[in-house]
Amino acid sequence: GQNIDQPTEMTATEGAIVQINCTYQTSGFNGLFWYQQHAGEAPTFLSYNVLDGLEEKGRFSSFLSRSKGYSYLLLKELQMKDSASYLCAVRDQGNFNKFYFGSGTKLNVKP
Amino acid sequence: NAGVTQTPKFRILKIGQSMTLQCAQDMNHNYMYWYRQDPGMGLKLIYYSVGAGITDKGEVPNGYNVSRSTTEDFPLRLELAAPSQTSVYFCASGVPQPQHFGDGTRLSIL
Repeated sequence: GQNIDQPTEMTATEGAIVQINCTYQTSGFNGLFWYQQHAGEAPTFLSYNVLDGLEEKGRFSSFLSRSKGYSYLLLKELQMKDSASYLCAVRDQGNFNKFYFGSGTKLNVKP
Repeated sequence: NAGVTQTPKFRILKIGQSMTLQCAQDMNHNYMYWYRQDPGMGLKLIYYSVGAGITDKGEVPNGYNVSRSTTEDFPLRLELAAPSQTSVYFCASGVPQPQHFGDGTRLSIL
């Protein structure tokens, strides 16, 4: 099975940097994914890590440490439109088609 | 530019009724998924498909059925609706990770 933990809610200021953590305990692992979900909308795919290290994509970066079962999403130069929930998901090693989602972190960006 | 299209967007069912949630994608993706999302929670996988004619159960398949007769369509069937099935349902397609989601169907069972 999979156990994925994220903080429930975070608040940050416009223009700042925020780090959203995700820890996982899984029976198998084959990649970690981050999604953004605005209230009342569908999730949108942000990033994907399968190897240890940092993946950078514009203002968003995602980091993975497989030995620690740990990932984070780093958002720089926060904008008001970044207010959303951020979901991390783990891909099952035994079944590549199964993706298990955490409950999400609601990020509130203040002016 | 349709992507993943879900219908209906909203529906209220009575306990014991049945219905089919429709999902269609125009990106020729082999992989399609059905998730449900309860308030304040993450997504739970109901069923998935790796291609036409091939489906498999996810984490929470009880009370649901799916079929995949074409690459484009992946309908989800609820038989004998129960209040516990009140949720938002998302269909997704990908290569294989779920990359494109539909706008969701908000379903209430009363």
